[in-house]
Amino acid sequence: NAGVTQTPKFQVLKTGQSMTLQCAQDMNHNSMYWYRQDPGMGLRLIYYSASEGTTDKGEVPNGYNVSRLNKREFSLRLESAAPSQTSVYFCASRGWGKNIQYFGAGTRLSVL
Amino acid sequence: GNSVTQMEGPVTLSEEAFLTINCTYTATGYPSLFWYVQYPGEGLQLLLKATKADDKGSNKGFEATYRKETTSFHLEKGSVQVSDSAVYFCALSMNNAGNMLTFGGGTRLMVKP
Repeated sequence: NAGVTQTPKFQVLKTGQSMTLQCAQDMNHNSMYWYRQDPGMGLRLIYYSASEGTTDKGEVPNGYNVSRLNKREFSLRLESAAPSQTSVYFCASRGWGKNIQYFGAGTRLSVL
Repeated sequence: GNSVTQMEGPVTLSEEAFLTINCTYTATGYPSLFWYVQYPGEGLQLLLKATKADDKGSNKGFEATYRKETTSFHLEKGSVQVSDSAVYFCALSMNNAGNMLTFGGGTRLMVKP
């Protein structure tokens, strides 16, 4: 019962470096989401993919890009990391016609 | 736009105390409401939900009632345990194609033996 799997769990970057956060789900879900969690601000939506082949911006998309590689995988890319992107990143997925999202364990990212 | 407001924490209680975490929302239309829980070092898990006015969601001794007249969805538990120590998030989603969640800021609960 893997559910939603995120890699890596921890990452430290220097300002200007790039990296890709990976997310995969094995529940045959149509929709996938990327959130960031900052203290006192709850989770904020970065990007989402309602179905394979589509992606849309969320509340805080600046500085990020996404790729819905196939139905299982949804990656988040930071092209040029900034200290303001230090956060915990969560991936989630949702089945068609359902209103419950299932979350991965998160990636803790520090940008120095 | 839509928004969720939760009481700020941390909330510190003794074991077996009564818990209330307040949550109010602003939304255009009729959202579904959720409580998610995040245990230390883990992702969020759905705790309970309600999809229409006057629905009561319940799970693991926790309850919350969807109150349309007060736009509230307060979380309650009659007797907390140390194992309930976690961060609790109230959230809403509109029943549209994206079904995006809007979260409150989270409330940390600490239960002492």
